Amino acid sequence: DSGVTQTPKHLITATGQRVTLRCSPRSGDLSVYWYQQSLDQGLQFLIHYYNGEERAKGNILERFSAQQFPDLHSELNLSSLELGDSALYFCASSVGLAGVEKTQYFGPGTRLLVL
Amino acid sequence: AQTVTQSQPEMSVQEAETVTLSCTYDTSENNYYLFWYKQPPSRQMILVIRQEAYKQQNATENRFSVNFQKAAKSFSLKISDSQLGDTAMYFCAFMKRKKGEQAKGAQKLVFGQGTRLTINP
Repeated sequence: DSGVTQTPKHLITATGQRVTLRCSPRSGDLSVYWYQQSLDQGLQFLIHYYNGEERAKGNILERFSAQQFPDLHSELNLSSLELGDSALYFCASSVGLAGVEKTQYFGPGTRLLVL
Repeated sequence: AQTVTQSQPEMSVQEAETVTLSCTYDTSENNYYLFWYKQPPSRQMILVIRQEAYKQQNATENRFSVNFQKAAKSFSLKISDSQLGDTAMYFCAFMKRKKGEQAKGAQKLVFGQGTRLTINP
């Protein structure tokens, strides 16, 4: 158990809908990262938050957005869903402080299926 | 941009054998981290081992060790005395290393395509 939690574990929805994925980082971790794992794209970085502030964006679609709340949990919002958004979405956390080890610990993932 | 290449899509060995998974990467950075993550059928991403590029000594974690060749940009994983529970996808990953204020910036992981390892009884 990495200490990172994600809910829900599974999500089945229809095209055009909107969903919210939730992540709670390990206790004390300030950084949260979101990754998407799909068959055709592999593991792709989506976005990084540090202590409530967006720090970097990767291959994240405009239909997707995220935020990190004062209690450090994060949510990834996916809207106008398409079949191609079906994937495993991971959240990872790390300490994120200067000079401290940056290993990212992954949550169990949320499996999203868009029908 | 950094790229990570795992040239072996699949590997299969017998239990108790030693197996080596290959990984090469391309970067102009001098300071970085390299990782191997394991993804068993449960789909959980589990950290196996980490290597800091500024350290010449190869990292080891019990039966897992790496052969880090910085000049060649190569980072292979050796699993000794393989066990059935080692059956999984293995991903090699790269991350820039930053200090100070920059440390709050993006330290995204760049992953290879993965190697599916099967340990046979």
